[in-house]
Amino acid sequence: GEDVEQSLFLSVREGDSSVINCTYTDSSSTYLYWYKQEPGAGLQLLTYIFSNMDMKQDQRLTVLLNKKDKHLSLRIADTQTGDSAIYFCAESPYSGAGSYQLTFGKGTKLSVIP
Amino acid sequence: EADIYQTPRYLVIGTGKKITLECSQTMGHDKMYWYQQDPGMELHLIHYSYGVNSTEKGDLSSESTVSRIRTEHFPLTLESARPSHTSQYLCASSAGQGHTEAFFGQGTRLTVV
Repeated sequence: GEDVEQSLFLSVREGDSSVINCTYTDSSSTYLYWYKQEPGAGLQLLTYIFSNMDMKQDQRLTVLLNKKDKHLSLRIADTQTGDSAIYFCAESPYSGAGSYQLTFGKGTKLSVIP
Repeated sequence: EADIYQTPRYLVIGTGKKITLECSQTMGHDKMYWYQQDPGMELHLIHYSYGVNSTEKGDLSSESTVSRIRTEHFPLTLESARPSHTSQYLCASSAGQGHTEAFFGQGTRLTVV
């Protein structure tokens, strides 16, 4: 079945790099996602990676994908206090009839220490 | 910016009352979802819809019901609220095929007293 695992908490100092890890189970996932949730708000798509890619970089964000191990990571360079939030990893396993359904991990709460 | 809206943002209501949480999107998305979010952060899919007149139950059993009479509107109803229904409810929509980016509303924080 589908299962997405992430560590629940991460604490880093401002200016350091943050690395949030995720493992997923369904190899049919075409895309893998990172969503960010700030306090009192809904989730917002942060970045995504296509399953045939190993790495994607977007400004301070780097996504690494190891498809063999079904491991996804999100690296935030020069972490700022504004990056404090909950980060959700998500996979999109095929759910039939040409559709893919998002499955979320439990979220990693990133706390940035000034 | 996502065009998906939830109302109310916050609701405190007494046990036994009937409530409807509203969710509307203006993106023309076929797929819509309701998630219940624990205080401990985990998201649970409780309902989804792939189009008008299509509704399905999600992974987590819920006493709530949903309807999808119009593409843009996906309300969630609790016939008789209980303290165990206290939670954050998040609505989302996506275009469906292929790249399934989901757009989320701001959420409704429901407290049943």
